[in-house]
Amino acid sequence: DTGVSQDPRHKITKRGQNVTFRCDPISEHNRLYWYRQTLGQGPEFLTYFQNEAQLEKSRLLSDRFSAERPKGSFSTLEIQRTEQGDSAMYLCASSLGVGPSGANVLTFGAGSRLTVL
Amino acid sequence: AQSVTQLDSHVSVSEGTPVLLRCNYSSSYSPSLFWYVQHPNKGLQLLLKYTSAATLVKGINGFEAEFKKSETSFHLTKPSAHMSDAAEYFCVVSNMNRDDKIIFGKGTRLHILP
Repeated sequence: DTGVSQDPRHKITKRGQNVTFRCDPISEHNRLYWYRQTLGQGPEFLTYFQNEAQLEKSRLLSDRFSAERPKGSFSTLEIQRTEQGDSAMYLCASSLGVGPSGANVLTFGAGSRLTVL
Repeated sequence: AQSVTQLDSHVSVSEGTPVLLRCNYSSSYSPSLFWYVQHPNKGLQLLLKYTSAATLVKGINGFEAEFKKSETSFHLTKPSAHMSDAAEYFCVVSNMNRDDKIIFGKGTRLHILP
């Protein structure tokens, strides 16, 4: 296992189209996170899963956004009716949750960059 | 709820001089604190983490950070900057022993002058 994989790496779409991003976490990791990062900003939390259960969603995640992790392995993030403001890097991370040290350490993928024209 | 503030959006230092990137946090519980680095067109990489075992934490590439509870700070330092250190650095907080969401600061871009 080589880490967290995200696909596609780049997506250019027209406003109003739907897009879907996929994330394959490290296989033994039961937690999976989605973040959004815009230019000059830090990653903003969107949502996270423990196995297949979605435990928390940010207020940033409007009704046009939906995330799934159907079998507790890979996850998809879908954006419907895209808007120019959705242009960003979408980051996926996975973890084992809180470990013996008490910390929850995230491993990130390279990200999927979305450009909405 | 937890939050983190990175006090400088940009820091410039000359190669071979010390680096100081400042971070203050707030947390309802005992915090776990991290620094991540993001090189241009690269993914986020963990530099170091604090989990209460020791207040001075050593990370990769010669970076260190010191947890100061009284100041609610977790500043990142390096004695001597290298050109390869030029990147964006993020201070991150979560709650110790709790699987809460993990919050990133806005980042500090480190510029290394030759």
